[in-house]
Amino acid sequence: SQTIHQWPATLVQPVGSPLSLECTVEGTSNPNLYWYRQAAGRGLQLLFYSVGIGQISSEVPQNLSASRPQDRQFILSSKKLLLSDSGFYLCAWIYWRGASIGYTFGSGTRLTVV
Amino acid sequence: DQQVKQNSPSLSVQEGRISILNCDYTNSMFDYFLWYKKYPAEGPTFLISISSIKDKNEDGRFTVFLNKSAKHLSLHIVPSQPGDSAVYFCAASAWSGGSNYKLTFGKGTLLTVNP
Repeated sequence: SQTIHQWPATLVQPVGSPLSLECTVEGTSNPNLYWYRQAAGRGLQLLFYSVGIGQISSEVPQNLSASRPQDRQFILSSKKLLLSDSGFYLCAWIYWRGASIGYTFGSGTRLTVV
Repeated sequence: DQQVKQNSPSLSVQEGRISILNCDYTNSMFDYFLWYKKYPAEGPTFLISISSIKDKNEDGRFTVFLNKSAKHLSLHIVPSQPGDSAVYFCAASAWSGGSNYKLTFGKGTLLTVNP
């Protein structure tokens, strides 16, 4: 079966510290992967997407970066966290169902920058 | 520029009645529309989708209606149950080159179903 894993579930980090969130998928190859953020009281904002190893597209200029070191691994990073980086981060994977598409989300990481 | 809009931040209905969640969009290139349900501190879970070539899709208690001329879609939940209480996100997808599709989300509507 196809699954998506995301960790850690919660994280509290001081301002200026680095960040690394990991997302892995199983049961598929060459997936399109996405990082979203939900800030308090706001919708889901697309941050990065990747269509393959080493291929990263950024949607919103910010303090974060993403990497795709392996086919089924997608990493969200920051060298120095800001207070505004707090939020709920979600990894997602797109899959095809016949002629339609679907998205599956990971369980999310609640990041609090203090 | 918000391409997908959910203008009602919240909705409250009685158990057993119909819940109608609305969504408007501006990009005529969207080809699929999806509804997600999200509980606090969890990832969104997929509910139902509709292709832009259809005007209705039904799955159990959930029905999505699409009005392309009005660029409007709605999710109907009948009958509503207390367990349906969650934030509902409308999303739309469009091909953005190569093999990539991107989802654009609305800001969500908090549905509360009262017993």
